[in-house]
Amino acid sequence: EDQVTQSPEALRLQEGESSSLNCSYTVSGLRGLFWYRQDPGKGPEFLFTLYSAGEEKEKERLKATLTKKESFLHITAPKPEDSATYLCAVQAPTGFQKLVFGTGTRLLVSP
Amino acid sequence: GAVVSQHPSWVICKSGTSVKIECRSLDFQATTMFWYRQFPKQSLMLMATSNEGSKATYEQGVEKDKFLINHASLTLSTLTVTSAHPEDSSFYICSARRTGDSNQPQHFGDGTRLSIL
Repeated sequence: EDQVTQSPEALRLQEGESSSLNCSYTVSGLRGLFWYRQDPGKGPEFLFTLYSAGEEKEKERLKATLTKKESFLHITAPKPEDSATYLCAVQAPTGFQKLVFGTGTRLLVSP
Repeated sequence: GAVVSQHPSWVICKSGTSVKIECRSLDFQATTMFWYRQFPKQSLMLMATSNEGSKATYEQGVEKDKFLINHASLTLSTLTVTSAHPEDSSFYICSARRTGDSNQPQHFGDGTRLSIL
């Protein structure tokens, strides 16, 4: 069964304090690993797609990396506006390539 | 961009009422759309996959007669919660994937908060 585990569940950082979020996955044939950001009361906002081990993607203060078993979302010098829940999902290779989501990491960046 | 619009954003209704939620892809065509349910501080749970012109595929444990899905065009899918009861109260979110490449990301609407009294 495809599974995604995210850690930590919650993370509190001071503004400027860099850190990383972890996403561990098991899937029979990875078609893609997706990172989303979700603000309270909103739908997830797409950030990155990673397809193969060793791949990296960057966007502003965020950088996503991928290995054969896990992905990291590195946040460099975060700002309060980076506070959100970050969701990781893997795409299943069956049927309509549905997404299997982790439970997310709630990030709070204090000024 | 890839914009998905979901309407209404909030609905409150009495027990026994049926509620329809619309999901539109505004600037792209989507053969496949997805419907999720999210409980507070929990992740997204896929309810069903909606395909244009064909019957939806429901996840195990989701009652297809309770949650009716129609995907009549390449830009519109609807979810109807029939005879809603308080236990159906939740945050419902749709997503759409651009037609043509199954590896494209899903783009999400802003959700519908449903409260059944």
